[in-house]
Amino acid sequence: DAGVTQSPTHLIKTRGQHVTLRCSPISGHKSVSWYQQVLGQGPQFIFQYYEKEERGRGNFPDRFSARQFPNYSSELNVNALLLGDSALYLCASSFLHYEQYFGPGTRLTVT
Amino acid sequence: GENVEQHPSTLSVQEGDSAVIKCTYSDSASNYFPWYKQELGKRPQLIIDIRSNVGEKKDQRIAVTLNKTAKHFSLHITETQPEDSAVYFCAALNQAGTALIFGKGTTLSVSS
Repeated sequence: DAGVTQSPTHLIKTRGQHVTLRCSPISGHKSVSWYQQVLGQGPQFIFQYYEKEERGRGNFPDRFSARQFPNYSSELNVNALLLGDSALYLCASSFLHYEQYFGPGTRLTVT
Repeated sequence: GENVEQHPSTLSVQEGDSAVIKCTYSDSASNYFPWYKQELGKRPQLIIDIRSNVGEKKDQRIAVTLNKTAKHFSLHITETQPEDSAVYFCAALNQAGTALIFGKGTTLSVSS
């Protein structure tokens, strides 16, 4: 049984560019959440999607957006990248909102 | 806003000793409290969780206790082994049930 998958694994972008990160949840899970983890800190909530609808949004600027597709996979988009956006972006999958299982993450470096 | 405080930030123990990590949360409506283990360069791994309708849960060498009145919960690891060395995060589900609010993590080092 496959776990949560994310792509790409690593990404290097320049300030001002746009990035799209992708996530496929565990089979049967309908909820996908996105978190940002800065080195040395705990994950910080960005979005939660359930049944293709946004259920929650963290304290992130409008440059961050996301969506969920009919197959429950999800994309996180970040526009106008800043140096401070450099982080590990984690996707978590859950059947409802308990027991969130994380993917391996996408390491984003903004130069 | 919602907040989770975790301490200590670092913990060093000898193999075979017990380790305890403590967290407090601010949102009295929180009803779900998971613990994650994150090894260097890897994903956070859910190791145990507890819901607000129970006070304690155990799974082999790890246990979690919850005191809803005091709004704190703790992770207990007994008979520690070198492979327990990692960063441990506590979290609380927010009132809306949409987001896990994480503590800042505890770096556990188990020396043999």
